[in-house]
Amino acid sequence: DIQMTQSPSSLSASVGDRVTITCRASQSISSYVNWYQQRPGKAPNLLIYAASTLQSGVPSRFSGSGSGTDFTLTISSLQPEDYATYYCQQTYSTPCTFGQGTNLEIK
Amino acid sequence: QVQLVQSGAEVKKPGSSVKVSCKASGGTFSSYAITWVRQAPGEGLEWMGRIIPLLDITNYAQKFQGRVTITADKSTSTVNMELSSLRSEDTAVYYCARRGSAYTQNWLDPWGQGTLVTVSS
Repeated sequence: DIQMTQSPSSLSASVGDRVTITCRASQSISSYVNWYQQRPGKAPNLLIYAASTLQSGVPSRFSGSGSGTDFTLTISSLQPEDYATYYCQQTYSTPCTFGQGTNLEIK
Repeated sequence: QVQLVQSGAEVKKPGSSVKVSCKASGGTFSSYAITWVRQAPGEGLEWMGRIIPLLDITNYAQKFQGRVTITADKSTSTVNMELSSLRSEDTAVYYCARRGSAYTQNWLDPWGQGTLVTVSS
């Protein structure tokens, strides 16, 4: 199975900050990465697919980049509603594994 | 717009089985794969398997092979996930999600609301 390692596991940031979350795959996976946001008690919500394509309806402050083994999710200016847990997922091969999550907290 | 509505919470004894359903509405059911993902309390997301209802093709994670069965009922636009030989470690919220795709890329959207399965003696 392909392992997805996110860093950091948790992060404290202030409203307006620029935040970057990293995901590293255990092997090259081209651009087969998605990013999800999960708020407490809710189902995950798709933010980015194919490493860099913004899902319809998702604010433009979210962006994704990367290819091969290293990927990033960036929030350009943190908003109060962005405090949540973020997961990367690889869809290069099954099982389509997820990273362990990054918990974004208010500073 | 497709919506996925899951069945309600379950409490099961160790060694028993549980069946969770996921009913789709508002879109074309059969042509999309439905994936199951679970999340143990305080833990991350775990991919379990998927089905393409149109073709009745399933794909399971090796970890669950032999214990999980995913089926589709096209007449009711419902996908079921059955997990057998339950143990306490199977206590989790189980989500279904539609697999969207374009060319060779795919993603999970939308998701069902989740079903809590508690395994306890």
